[in-house]
Amino acid sequence: DQQVKQNSPSLSVQEGRISILNCDYTNSMFDYFLWYKKYPAEGPTFLISISSIKDKNEDGRFTVFLNKSAKHLSLHIVPSQPGDSAVYFCAASSPNDMRFGAGTRLTVKP
Amino acid sequence: NAGVTQTPKFQVLKTGQSMTLQCAQDMNHNSMYWYRQDPGMGLRLIYYSASEGTTDKGEVPNGYNVSRLNKREFSLRLESAAPSQTSVYFCASSNLAGLAKNIQYFGAGTRLSVL
Repeated sequence: DQQVKQNSPSLSVQEGRISILNCDYTNSMFDYFLWYKKYPAEGPTFLISISSIKDKNEDGRFTVFLNKSAKHLSLHIVPSQPGDSAVYFCAASSPNDMRFGAGTRLTVKP
Repeated sequence: NAGVTQTPKFQVLKTGQSMTLQCAQDMNHNSMYWYRQDPGMGLRLIYYSASEGTTDKGEVPNGYNVSRLNKREFSLRLESAAPSQTSVYFCASSNLAGLAKNIQYFGAGTRLSVL
């Protein structure tokens, strides 16, 4: 059962515009959420995280929003840059579990 | 600064063969993890070790064994490889213990094909 879902396999945006990547989860026990970025032939690298006690966390061009009632989180990248082109994974954790979504491939066009 | 190092990078096995995937981290992290990544499935946790001397099952442990050799090294063994184990395997480490609220640092992966 996929407890963390990224329903958009791919997303294409123009350089300078906003990229919005979405993630839904089903398990209400998840209390910490992360986004990882992955380039080809490399391992995922941590991007940003948010605790369930918050609804927003910002780090430079990256902002993660959490809507606990909807069990939904999103990653906003503003402005998008060609170097942001990668696969983005959302992840959710509880003390006894860690689940990843299937990923969204973001392409930022110059 | 090596971080998390996985060997080998690529491997082809025949059904029934055994092999061990090696992972080492130089960040003095407490926890280490093994994941597999399959198309359309994201990363799935196989086993993890919250501290030296302990190991726990993740989401998909069947067909695998692990050894936390010391604080630096965490190996994954396939005793009798099956085609269903064809995947990309990632090792990760984290400073915090276990799974809760921690940021993980990943190796570059091992691409395994079982024929």
